[in-house]
Amino acid sequence: SQQGEEDPQALSIQEGENATMNCSYKTSINNLQWYRQNSGRGLVHLILIRSNEREKHSGRLRVTLDTSKKSSSLLITASRAADTASYFCATVPNYGGSQGNLIFGKGTKLSVKP
Amino acid sequence: GAGVSQSPSNKVTEKGKDVELRCDPISGHTALYWYRQSLGQGLEFLIYFQGNSAPDKSGLPSDRFSAERTGGSVSTLTIQRTQQEDSAVYLCASSFTKSAGTEAFFGQGTRLTVV
Repeated sequence: SQQGEEDPQALSIQEGENATMNCSYKTSINNLQWYRQNSGRGLVHLILIRSNEREKHSGRLRVTLDTSKKSSSLLITASRAADTASYFCATVPNYGGSQGNLIFGKGTKLSVKP
Repeated sequence: GAGVSQSPSNKVTEKGKDVELRCDPISGHTALYWYRQSLGQGLEFLIYFQGNSAPDKSGLPSDRFSAERTGGSVSTLTIQRTQQEDSAVYLCASSFTKSAGTEAFFGQGTRLTVV
């Protein structure tokens, strides 16, 4: 079963604009991660935020985490055409025997137009 | 190796045949994951291996699916009596984690087509 739900499902913006994607999840988590996928193949890890962190930055990426609302957001600033990809959030649940397992959402398809 | 390696990259098989998909994780990574992704969809969790612990098989969709990980390294996902709905990209990932949560490194996947 999928833990995370990304919103929106698809996002189309112009180069230079900011892109914001949201992720909601259901159960208590150890950490939340964001991944990027080009062309329906392997995923690339972007950033990890732990449950005791509220915000994290990496280059043009900014991630926030609100554990009380069970939600996270990924902001890409000054977008480029090369940012066109699908973006997935993944959670590491904090229950039972599945510590360390990564559960993915359905993703947001981002299109950045030059 | 430099990254997670999956083979074959593409596989076309006839309905009813068995297939084996292989994953070579990054050396030293204790955790290994298998996911399935249908066209335009998210990643569906299949199975998770962590060190010598019993694998988490809760995502396997039916008893036609099985996976093993030999010597804590290479993993094989086997699908018996394939059906057309098994057509998807099968992704493998590994990570170095003794407890919860480090980044996972993905292979490029095996695209399985059942005809």
